[in-house]
Amino acid sequence: AQSVSQHNHHVILSEAASLELGCNYSYGGTVNLFWYVQYPGQHLQLLLKYFSGDPLVKGIKGFEAEFIKSKFSFNLRKPSVQWSDTAEYFCAVKESGSARQLTFGSGTQLTVLP
Amino acid sequence: SQTIHQWPATLVQPVGSPLSLECTVEGTSNPNLYWYRQAAGRGLQLLFYSVGIGQISSEVPQNLSASRPQDRQFILSSKKLLLSDSGFYLCAWSVLTSGPGELFFGEGSRLTVL
Repeated sequence: AQSVSQHNHHVILSEAASLELGCNYSYGGTVNLFWYVQYPGQHLQLLLKYFSGDPLVKGIKGFEAEFIKSKFSFNLRKPSVQWSDTAEYFCAVKESGSARQLTFGSGTQLTVLP
Repeated sequence: SQTIHQWPATLVQPVGSPLSLECTVEGTSNPNLYWYRQAAGRGLQLLFYSVGIGQISSEVPQNLSASRPQDRQFILSSKKLLLSDSGFYLCAWSVLTSGPGELFFGEGSRLTVL
């Protein structure tokens, strides 16, 4: 069975700092990868996704993620965070072409200090 | 455009009482529907999913059940709530079983069992 690991449970940064949130998955086949974000008081929404092609994926609000197949990783990055990026971030993986549903990581709470 | 609605948003119930959380999707036909539970520090756990009317798959054994009486309606139920059923429940939908798998989430329902 596939699993997703997010090693950082809580990250605290100052505004303008760079961000990298780790995500590793365990599955040897082809995968679809996602990052979801949940802002305080709001519902989960898609930040970015990778299906195929360029392993560097750009999402909304200046976020990007890089799929490194050899490392089974899909880390989320942002060069300069803002206070409004304070949220919980979830990595998720799905076996490509499979009926199996998304498997989510445990989430990383990001707090950006003004 | 597609929308998903989930209610009630918050619910406080005594132990042993029944439960019914409802979810409806608008603007799409034959969606795949999901119920997740979100626990702090534990990410999202898939409880049930449905690929069609009357078709329910359960991911984990538990005190809850799900039903899909109509194409775009998904209901989470319990006959007798336990304290351990407290949590944040999310309904979600996706387009194709074997497709990319992107999920669209509802606003969530916070259940407190006393």
